[in-house]
Amino acid sequence: EVQLLESGGGLVQPGGSLRLSCAASGFTFSSYAMTWVRQAPGKGLEWVSAISGSDGSTYYADSVKGRFTISRENSKNTLYLQMNTLRAEDTAVYYCAKVGTSGHDAFDIWGQGTMVTVSS
Amino acid sequence: QLVLTQSPSASASLGASVKLTCTLSSGHSSYAIAWHQQQPEKGPRYLMKLNSDGSHSKGDGIPDRFSGSSSGAERYLTISSLQSEDEADYYCQTWGTGIHVFGTGTKVTVL
Repeated sequence: EVQLLESGGGLVQPGGSLRLSCAASGFTFSSYAMTWVRQAPGKGLEWVSAISGSDGSTYYADSVKGRFTISRENSKNTLYLQMNTLRAEDTAVYYCAKVGTSGHDAFDIWGQGTMVTVSS
Repeated sequence: QLVLTQSPSASASLGASVKLTCTLSSGHSSYAIAWHQQQPEKGPRYLMKLNSDGSHSKGDGIPDRFSGSSSGAERYLTISSLQSEDEADYYCQTWGTGIHVFGTGTKVTVL
């Protein structure tokens, strides 16, 4: 069964850091691009970042560029999101998703999400 | 600029059909999109990838009641024989080089 399981969410103060993880199973992890999507309370889906499955190229939404870093460890079938200089507006449920190819494509598998709350 | 436009809400009676629209911004009418469903208090679920020619590939286990079609810059999701569990938010998603975009979502209410 194809599965994505996020972890690492929690409460953090403004300006703080947090690292999210996404453990993948049931597919050849290294062959696919992966992505992070977030959803603020009561709001819609917002794409955050993506990493290709071929050459590890990374891409970011303007709202997180320079503060967030996406990475992957193919030997562990794990995706990461390092979040620094967190702001109140980063408060959201963060989902990891599998992309349909090694590059840009539809998000065809979703995780269950992990909540990040940025508050003092 | 790559933008997807969706109506905020739609409704139809139990057992009826509803057709949702996702419109691609000018200059992007050839782009494929994906449709995702998000039921209340749940994570998103991939429904299908929809190409500009109307061909589509659905996710595993997606019922035949869900179908997609295209016309110009518009991409449609039709839900037939509406069930109570179809009451959800529906998002379209597209992509370009280095960017992914979501529509604002359409909330479907089953009457």
